Amino acid sequence: QVQLQESGPGLVKPSQTLSLTCTVSGGSISSGSYYWSWIRQPAGKGLEWIGRIYTSGSTNYNPSLKSRVTISVDTSKNQFSLKLSSVTAADTAVYYCAREGVPPSYYFDYWGQGTLVTVSS
Amino acid sequence: QSALTQPASVSGSPGQSITISCTGTSSDVGSYNLVSWYQQHPGKAPKLMIYEGSKRPSGVSNRFSGSKSGNTASLTISGLQAEDEADYYCCSYAGSSTFLVVFGGGTKLTVL
Repeated sequence: QVQLQESGPGLVKPSQTLSLTCTVSGGSISSGSYYWSWIRQPAGKGLEWIGRIYTSGSTNYNPSLKSRVTISVDTSKNQFSLKLSSVTAADTAVYYCAREGVPPSYYFDYWGQGTLVTVSS
Repeated sequence: QSALTQPASVSGSPGQSITISCTGTSSDVGSYNLVSWYQQHPGKAPKLMIYEGSKRPSGVSNRFSGSKSGNTASLTISGLQAEDEADYYCCSYAGSSTFLVVFGGGTKLTVL
């Protein structure tokens, strides 16, 4: 059974960079059969897709965040990561990592439990 | 790309059927059978309920079904149960060869 687990600081100061890692277990991230995405949800609000990465390193980003987002993959650790720069209070949210089939299937069958990141000084 | 449009809330009594709509455009929902639906209970991660418009993942009750007409996709839940009370989100390919994903704003389902 595939499992995804987000990890990273729960508190980030404004203007700094938010960094999160998703560790995948129960399957190889480099199998070539999946894309790996980040999705976030501000408290009481809806879901927002941030972007995805393939094992080759190919990425797609939400245009609204593209200038501040970097998603990378470390196949040796079976992990992928999110960096979001120049954060503000509007970036406070629960951040989820999720799995998507290839070619981009546009649906997410496995999700992490989510991690709350608060942007505050 | 713009978010998909969902009603903020729907309600129904146990045993009844309800339908949640998800309206997009001819560029996304209308042109592709790539709508998925997620159920989210408070404090939990979303759970995939429907993919590719009408397919159910293994383990999802057949009380959940998906359909599409024009630019609007729909999720129908029949035989409502108390455990169905949750937020529901639709999701789609954003279209225009963008490889991008767009979500709906979410619908709160209340079982009366």
